[in-house]
Amino acid sequence: QQKVQQSPESLSVPEGGMASLNCTSSDRNFQYFWWYRQHSGEGPKALMSIFSDGDKKEGRFTAHLNKASLHVSLHIRDSQPSDSALYFCAASGGITGNTGKLIFGLGTTLQVQP
Amino acid sequence: AQTIHQWPVAEIKAVGSPLSLGCTIKGKSSPNLYWYWQATGGTLQQLFYSITVGQVESVVQLNLSASRPKDDQFILSTEKLLLSHSGFYLCAWSPDETLYFGSGTRLTVL
Repeated sequence: QQKVQQSPESLSVPEGGMASLNCTSSDRNFQYFWWYRQHSGEGPKALMSIFSDGDKKEGRFTAHLNKASLHVSLHIRDSQPSDSALYFCAASGGITGNTGKLIFGLGTTLQVQP
Repeated sequence: AQTIHQWPVAEIKAVGSPLSLGCTIKGKSSPNLYWYWQATGGTLQQLFYSITVGQVESVVQLNLSASRPKDDQFILSTEKLLLSHSGFYLCAWSPDETLYFGSGTRLTVL
């Protein structure tokens, strides 16, 4: 069973719209989360990490974590065509000395329509 | 500035041929280094990690091996490629609580 589950599998939003991506960990040992974005042919780039309950905002990106339900979401405000990419959620059991043991979800493909 | 460099950018190899992929980190001593594999459009699977020179831990068995001959260098290799080895190979490192990836090597095995 996939320990990190993402939804939806794919998503299409109009330019300027809001994109919302979801992620849930099925293992209570994995409660530290990261979001990554991967454009075609490139390596994934870290967008943000979130370790505490509540919201974390970085520019147009806002992550929300609910530790009780192990659910994290990523919201992209004012979506741009350049945001079209594969988005991964990753979870870990710790934040020091254990970063490499990230478990990645299967990803959400976001398409922003001009 | 810290940089991660992978080589080659892409490889097309025959089944049964050997392979060597490389990764170099500049600007950080004794980094934790990782190799990941990604099927086309798929998720990221950790293959190996290393916390110091000469020490490499295997995470999954895919008929691949890894070595860390220098503090800033991580090598992925095999003596005999399989069709299933095709994919995108990513080197990564973790200078803080986040994992950072290189630009990857696209491997096609025919």
